[in-house]
Amino acid sequence: KAGVTQTPRYLIKTRGQQVTLSCSPISGHRSVSWYQQTPGQGLQFLFEYFSETQRNKGNFPGRFSGRQFSNSRSEMNVSTLELGDSALYLCASRDGTTNEKLFFGSGTQLSVL
Amino acid sequence: QQQVKQSPQSLIVQKGGISIINCAYENTAFDYFPWYQQFPGKGPALLIAIRPDVSEKKEGRFTISFNKSAKQFSLHIMDSQPGDSATYFCAASKGTSYDKVIFGPGTSLSVIP
Repeated sequence: KAGVTQTPRYLIKTRGQQVTLSCSPISGHRSVSWYQQTPGQGLQFLFEYFSETQRNKGNFPGRFSGRQFSNSRSEMNVSTLELGDSALYLCASRDGTTNEKLFFGSGTQLSVL
Repeated sequence: QQQVKQSPQSLIVQKGGISIINCAYENTAFDYFPWYQQFPGKGPALLIAIRPDVSEKKEGRFTISFNKSAKQFSLHIMDSQPGDSATYFCAASKGTSYDKVIFGPGTSLSVIP
């Protein structure tokens, strides 16, 4: 089975722009979670989608949003980018019903200038 | 109450030594405690996990010790090897595949020859 795929791998944006990140989960997994990773802060939970519905949400501002499609692929959008949004954004999938184990992609490194 | 604390932030261990990373939590509803290992340029991967019905779980050189009354758990890496050099994250969730997984801030482990 192919692993979790995240695109693009690197992204450079300027303040005020918006960005969309993509995640393709492992085949058969219906849950996709997004995390923000920064040095010292670890992995901060953004949100989780299951069968196209947001199931869990972290404490991030409304500028961070996501969605999931019928094929379980997910996108994350950040609007009005700020310098502090520079981070590694990780996507993780799991089957969503029987197993808590998360399978992570390699992430998208976002730099906001 | 959703926070998971982790220490130390970084750790340097001699090859063959024991690496110990400690975590603490507040939410008594947490029922599943995994450890993830992350190498540079990669996403985290599940290493080992424990539930509160046991006080210890061992898989090869990796052992989780769990103290339910103190709300603490720790990872022990016996006979540490340079290949164990990575960032380690403890995490917690309510033990169902429906709950978000909360991560600690991470520990950067360097095993020197």
